[in-house]
Amino acid sequence: GENVEQHPSTLSVQEGDSAVIKCTYSDSASNYFPWYKQELGKRPQLIIDIRSNVGEKKDQRIAVTLNKTAKHFSLHITETQPEDSAVYFCAARDTGNQFYFGTGTSLTVIP
Amino acid sequence: NAGVTQTPKFQVLKTGQSMTLQCAQDMNHEYMSWYRQDPGMGLRLIHYSVGAGITDQGEVPNGYNVSRSTTEDFPLRLLSAAPSQTSVYFCASREQNGANVLTFGAGSRLTVL
Repeated sequence: GENVEQHPSTLSVQEGDSAVIKCTYSDSASNYFPWYKQELGKRPQLIIDIRSNVGEKKDQRIAVTLNKTAKHFSLHITETQPEDSAVYFCAARDTGNQFYFGTGTSLTVIP
Repeated sequence: NAGVTQTPKFQVLKTGQSMTLQCAQDMNHEYMSWYRQDPGMGLRLIHYSVGAGITDQGEVPNGYNVSRSTTEDFPLRLLSAAPSQTSVYFCASREQNGANVLTFGAGSRLTVL
């Protein structure tokens, strides 16, 4: 089955700096890659996603890039704010339509 | 439209006890699933269903049973709880085809003593 690895597990940045979280996947046939944000004690919520036929997608301060050849994708958050502090999960959907999640990155934005 | 509703939010069990985590969705989603979330392990798929009467195993199915008698409900049963099942459980649903957005419930925190 699909295996998704995520790095780093923890990340601290100063407010206003950028944050980058990286994920790799094993199944070259996986075709959809969402990112979820989970605030403390809350449920995961989708923040951005990318399909395998697209190399980059941007939504205001967040962007996701996908390198199919290398089988990795990344989340970029620019001009970080304290409210960006949360756990972020990447995921990959395989051809069986199942989602496999990374182990999460705990992002702390220091005011 | 309540989305995905999970009950209970918190539960403490003794080893060997049984219980059922409830999950209901009102979005007419065909696909429903259960994940467990453990520190450093991310979200791992336990069981899933692509429609009423159809269930299948995920990555970590041992010790859990599910059934899907209606489109709306997808309960998760622990027949004989073990301390290793202490975790936060999330139910999630989505349309089977088309949009792939997983909508999660609020989670159920289970402690097995």
